[in-house]
This record gives sequence, C-alpha cells and structure tokens, in this order.
Amino acid sequence: AQSVTQPDIHITVSEGASLELRCNYSYGATPYLFWYVQSPGQGLQLLLKYFSGDTLVQGIKGFEAEFKRSQSSFNLRKPSVHWSDAAEYFCAVGGISGNTGKLIFGQGTTLQVKP
Amino acid sequence: DGGITQSPKYLFRKEGQNVTLSCEQNLNHDAMYWYRQDPGQGLRLIYYSQIVNDFQKGDIAEGYSVSREKKESFPLTVTSAQKNPTAFYLCASSSRQTDDQPQHFGDGTRLSIL
Repeated sequence: AQSVTQPDIHITVSEGASLELRCNYSYGATPYLFWYVQSPGQGLQLLLKYFSGDTLVQGIKGFEAEFKRSQSSFNLRKPSVHWSDAAEYFCAVGGISGNTGKLIFGQGTTLQVKP
Repeated sequence: DGGITQSPKYLFRKEGQNVTLSCEQNLNHDAMYWYRQDPGQGLRLIYYSQIVNDFQKGDIAEGYSVSREKKESFPLTVTSAQKNPTAFYLCASSSRQTDDQPQHFGDGTRLSIL
C-alpha cells in the first residue's frame, strides 16, 4: 500500500541553525508532493509543492524542498530557522489514487526552536 | 478575503448525540474534503466531494455522514455510532478534484466528549 513516512516525530534546533525535515514515500511512479505547516490549533498552510521538472522547489517563508527519485524522498530544508517556524510540518502525497484529488499525509514532524 | 470557515471552533458531544460541524468556502472550489487529526497519526480522510450532490467515503467514514447540497457548504455529522469522536476535524477544498491541485484548509473544529 502507498504510504508516506516522516521518520522524525520531533526535532529541536537552535534559532539561526539550518533545518532538514525528512519525508519518504512508497509509490512506483512519481507522485505529486506537498509540504504543509500547521501552527497549534490551526489549519494547514501549503509551503510548497512538486509535480515535475526542477527537483529543487522553492516555497514560502524561505523553505525549499528537494525531490530525489532514487531515494523516494522529498526533504524540506531551511538555511536559517526563526523562532516563528516552530510548528508541525506535514508531508503529503497525491496522484496515487486515480486522479481523485486524495492526499496521503505523513504522521507529521513537530519542530521546536531554541532561542 | 476568500477562505474556508469552520464552526464552531470547539464542540462538545454528549453520549448518544449527533453533532454537526460546519464548513463553508467562498473560494468557488469544486472539491471539498473532511479530515480527522489525532496526535501522532497525521490526517486521515473521512469523506470527500467533487461536485454538488455527490460525495465518496474516505478511509475512516464509519460513524460519520456528510451532505453537499450547495457548492460552498460541506457539513459533517458525527453520529452516535462513532465511538471515539474526540479529535481535531479539518475541512479542506481544492479548485477541482485532480491530483495537481493543492488543498486549502480551514482552522478546524475540536470535538470533545462530555
């Protein structure tokens, strides 16, 4: 069955440090890939998406993600983390259930930022 | 501003009671979705709808029901058959139900048991 794995449940980084959040998916072809961010008690906001083309995609708030087909990964990165980046991050995969628009979400990674 | 409005923000259910969560969007989106979020489990799809008067079950539809009588509205009813309804419920929409469309989310409703 198709699945999305975010191996890190919780990550703590210092403000100003770099960040990488991991996402792996299980699917034979190249799916549509998304990263969302959720602040406590709120909905999800789209950070970036990848469909095809350049494997390095830029998103909002200074985030970027790189698609690596050989590793079935779509890791999210940020060069310098700000305290306001503390939130929960979700990787999601689409295009794996017959163009229904359905997404499969990873379990999420909670980011804590130390001052 | 266009967006998705979920109400109420907090909801409490008594034993044996059905409760309805509201979701309204003014984005003119065709597709709408309901998710349930539990700690450590990500989001799980309950129901989704592509067009008015049509909807499909998601992965965890048991104990829930929906309707889509208007394009902008997709209410979710948590019935008494749902034995563990305590969760955070998120409504989303996309311009059309195709895989290349990102979903836009409301701010959620937190449902608890009295």
